[in-house]
Amino acid sequence: RKEVEQDPGPFNVPEGATVAFNCTYSNSASQSFFWYRQDCRKEPKLLMSVYSSGNEDGRFTAQLNRASQYISLLIRDSKLSDSATYLCVVKRGNTPLVFGKGTRLSVIA
Amino acid sequence: DTAVSQTPKYLVTQMGNDKSIKCEQNLGHDTMYWYKQDSKKFLKIMFSYNNKELIINETVPNRFSPKSPDKAHLNLHINSLELGDSAVYFCASSQGRGLADTDTQYFGPGTRLTVL
Repeated sequence: RKEVEQDPGPFNVPEGATVAFNCTYSNSASQSFFWYRQDCRKEPKLLMSVYSSGNEDGRFTAQLNRASQYISLLIRDSKLSDSATYLCVVKRGNTPLVFGKGTRLSVIA
Repeated sequence: DTAVSQTPKYLVTQMGNDKSIKCEQNLGHDTMYWYKQDSKKFLKIMFSYNNKELIINETVPNRFSPKSPDKAHLNLHINSLELGDSAVYFCASSQGRGLADTDTQYFGPGTRLTVL
């Protein structure tokens, strides 16, 4: 079983829609969680960290459920520019970041 | 103004050749990394250097040898290239050792390596 699992998609949604992605992680010792965004043929960029209490950044909301070992990302009012692959990333202790395979989102006009 | 830069952007070569990829960061960061993203899109760390010292060395064949001449540069040399080495190689850097949550990693644009 992969340490971080994501539905690869693609999720095809119309502009203005709300879309949510989930990610599950297998190691209960994981302590830190992040969402990265990777555009086609580009480098990954940090979108947001995920905190236990949940956090919001504009149209993006991240949630963490430690009991069920999953992380979610909610995007409201989708824009065409949100089209990208969203990578779920976990970290435990002094170990390197572990990336999921990513979920591809296409926002359609 | 590029924060983390890599050269070359594309590299096409024959099996058995030796090649190098260069990375430079102008962010003043102490730590640099090499990642490999294969055709299945998994992004996996290979190496990490902090102030020219190797701190992470994941299970990577000996054919891969990183070199850090100074803390702003981390190069990757690959000997005897194999078909399975075809991937996108990303360099990244962070202020700290990448161990704290706040050590955001900034990625370079990637080097797309194709081994024929």
